[in-house]
Amino acid sequence: NAGVMQNPRHLVRRRGQEARLRCSPMKGHSHVYWYRQLPEEGLKFMVYLQKENIIDESGMPKERFSAEFPKEGPSILRIQQVVRGDSAAYFCASSPLRGRNTEAFFGQGTRLTVV
Amino acid sequence: KNEVEQSPQNLTAQEGEFITINCSYSVGISALHWLQQHPGGGIVSLFMLSSGKKKHGRLIATINIQEKHSSLHITASHPRDSAVYICAVSSGGSQGNLIFGKGTKLSVKP
Repeated sequence: NAGVMQNPRHLVRRRGQEARLRCSPMKGHSHVYWYRQLPEEGLKFMVYLQKENIIDESGMPKERFSAEFPKEGPSILRIQQVVRGDSAAYFCASSPLRGRNTEAFFGQGTRLTVV
Repeated sequence: KNEVEQSPQNLTAQEGEFITINCSYSVGISALHWLQQHPGGGIVSLFMLSSGKKKHGRLIATINIQEKHSSLHITASHPRDSAVYICAVSSGGSQGNLIFGKGTKLSVKP
C-alpha cells in the first residue's frame, strides 16, 4: 500500500505561469488536506477536500488558488499567475475516516520555486 | 503570541542523551499531533493524542490537558533522530485544519 504520493517533488515556474500540484492519497482514503510551508515559517492549513467536495477552504488565499479532488484521479492544487511569494513547500495529507481525531498521513511535499 | 509554542527552537545533543521537546498551546483542543520532518523530506506523523501518554519505540509523548502542555521525549538519542519536530493541534476547525508550532530543530551528534 503506497503512501501519499505527491508530484512533482520539485517545480520551477516563472512569474505569471500556472503551477499544478498533484496528490494521490493512500488507497482507501477519501479525505485530503493541503498545507503550505513558507521558508522559515511553520506549516499552515490551506484546504480540506473529500471526493468532489470542498469541505473547508478557510486557509486558501482568496485569489489565484484553487483545489479539487475529482471522483477519479488525484487531488490538484492549482496556483494561477504565480508570484515569488508563492515559493514554498506544499504538503498533502490524507485520512480514511471522518472525525476530528483521525490520524493523517503526509506526502513528501512539492517544493515550488517561482523565478 | 502564537497559539502553539514550542521550545526549544534549536537543540543539539550528544548521541545517547535523553531529549525533551515541549509544546504549549493557548486554545481548546480535541487532539495534539507530533510530526517529524527530515531535511528536504516529507512529514511523518509520530503521535496523535488527546490525553495521557503514548510510547512508540524510543519515543514517548505526553499531554496535560489542564496545563495545555505536551512533551515529546526521545530516549537513547541517535544521529538518525536529527530532524525538525513539529507540534500541531486540532482546535474547533474541520478535521485536518491543524494549528502548527514553528518546530524544534534537533541535531544529534555522534
